[in-house]
Formats: sequence, C-alpha cells, structure tokens
Amino acid sequence: AQSVTQLDSQVPVFEEAPVELRCNYSSSVSVYLFWYVQYPNQGLQLLLKYLSGSTLVKGINGFEAEFNKSQTSFHLRKPSVHISDTAEYFCAVSPSGTYKYIFGTGTRLKVLA
Amino acid sequence: DTAVSQTPKYLVTQMGNDKSIKCEQNLGHDTMYWYKQDSKKFLKIMFSYNNKELIINETVPNRFSPKSPDKAHLNLHINSLELGDSAVYFCASSPGTAGEQFFGPGTRLTVL
Repeated sequence: AQSVTQLDSQVPVFEEAPVELRCNYSSSVSVYLFWYVQYPNQGLQLLLKYLSGSTLVKGINGFEAEFNKSQTSFHLRKPSVHISDTAEYFCAVSPSGTYKYIFGTGTRLKVLA
Repeated sequence: DTAVSQTPKYLVTQMGNDKSIKCEQNLGHDTMYWYKQDSKKFLKIMFSYNNKELIINETVPNRFSPKSPDKAHLNLHINSLELGDSAVYFCASSPGTAGEQFFGPGTRLTVL
C-alpha cells in the first residue's frame, strides 16, 4: 500500500520570503509524484509532476520540487512567495501503471504581508 | 470552454433524501473519478471509471452509486442522505495512467 505524509498542516510565511512544503511518501513500487494547488472554493490544479528523468522538476507560478528517492521525499519550494500563493497545497502519488492516486492531507500556505 | 464541469455547484437537502451530482469532461479523457473532500480538506478517492467501466471502488457505503453513460460523463447518485455525507465532491478526469488529473470546480453538499 502507498501513503503520503505532509507533516506541516499550516505554513505561515512573509511575502517575498522563500518557502518549502514537505512531502514524504511510502511505497513498495515505483510511483509518479504530483503537487496540486487548491485556491479557496475551487478545484485542484496541477503545479508540477515527476514521472521520470531529472529529479528537479519545475512547475507553474515559479514552484519547483525535487524528487529524492533515498529519502522518499518530494518537497515543494518557491524562492519568493506572493500573497496570491495563499492556498492549500496537496502532494499526491500514483503507483506506476495504475489509475490510483493517493493524496496527502494538505498544507495550508498563508502568505503574510 | 470548461474542461471538467459539475452540476450543481451547491446542493442543500434534508436527511433521507436522494440526490444526484453530474459531471462532464470535454478533454477526451478515458478515465474519470469522484473524490470526497471533508471539512478538514482531506481528499479521498471514491470511484474511478475507465472507458465506462468501474476500475476503482473504495470503501464507500453502497448508498453511493456512480454511473457512466459514456466516457465523457460520470454521475454520482446518493440514496438516503446522512449528515456525514456533507462535504465537497470533486469530479476529475485523466488521460490514463501517469497523467495529471483535471478537477472540476466541486459540488458542496450540505445535508440538514
């Protein structure tokens, strides 16, 4: 079975500061990895994904994530956040070759002025 | 053009009633999903269909019944609604395995 852990339920950060949202996963098979963002009262949209290849993945809105197989982590980073980045962020894994997705419990990023 | 659409956006109903939520995608994807998001934002997969066939059926009460008339539509019917069914229900689609999921805007169900 697979599981996803997002240890931080809330992350407050000041505008223009860097941020890292942590994601660790557990799986006995290879997985694909995703980060989604959910703005208030909206559905989720994809920020970035890792399927294979380079372990550093760049996404939309200046976000990037690094896949670390030995630490089974896929942390999300942004060097300088904006007020508009305030949202809920979800890490997800999908076992390779399956249709199943397992989401983490989400991290609420609150950007302060 | 809306990629994944859901109707209704809001649904308020009494306990014991039966209700349906509809989902349509115009992306040409083969796979569609229903998720339930509770008040703590926890997102749990309920069902998935691939080319109109049920491929994922998580531990969900049998009061919930999905129906896929064609691969562009996946509806969710809920019988005998209970207070605990109050949540936001999201429909999503994907082109297959290894693809990102495209989410609808959600249906906020409130059971009184």
